[in-house]
Amino acid sequence: DTAVSQTPKYLVTQMGNDKSIKCEQNLGHDTMYWYKQDSKKFLKIMFSYNNKELIINETVPNRFSPKSPDKAHLNLHINSLELGDSAVYFCASSRPPKLYFGPGTRLTVL
Amino acid sequence: GENVEQHPSTLSVQEGDSAVIKCTYSDSASNYFPWYKQELGKRPQLIIDIRSNVGEKKDQRIAVTLNKTAKHFSLHITETQPEDSAVYFCAATFSGGGADGLTFGKGTHLIIQP
Repeated sequence: DTAVSQTPKYLVTQMGNDKSIKCEQNLGHDTMYWYKQDSKKFLKIMFSYNNKELIINETVPNRFSPKSPDKAHLNLHINSLELGDSAVYFCASSRPPKLYFGPGTRLTVL
Repeated sequence: GENVEQHPSTLSVQEGDSAVIKCTYSDSASNYFPWYKQELGKRPQLIIDIRSNVGEKKDQRIAVTLNKTAKHFSLHITETQPEDSAVYFCAATFSGGGADGLTFGKGTHLIIQP
């Protein structure tokens, strides 16, 4: 069950810090995503990459910067963390249209 | 962009009864409608999906129906069991610059009462 993996699983940090979440998929998919799930369980797309190229960039603060070193990896870097960034962040990969989620990273900003 | 509405937000049924969750979508170009189940603390997992050229699909106790004209689709779970308790999400495709993405409904918390 490690087709899409993320690290770390939990991340607790202070406001103002910078943190990164890493994601890897071994499914051979070309498309990867970051989704944010808030405390009300709403799942919202943040970014989509297709073969290392940014395709979708929803209304996300520019403190969030995705990076895709190759098509199997999509990392998320967050600068100047704010309280409202606390959420579960899911990486996902897709051979469209089926979407497969990673286990999620629970980010808590204190 | 796509807008997906999902109802109800919470559904409580007796074990053994049926459960129905309904979704509507706004983009008539959407052509793929999956349903995800998310257990507490876990990732959403695909349980069934339907494409726009099909009206109904069934997999054991779960089924999905699609009405393209009305732009709504539903998840039906029969003979509910305690392990069906979870949050269920519907979704619909949208196109954004060449890579399809999914827009999700806000989720239905299904509670199976013993």
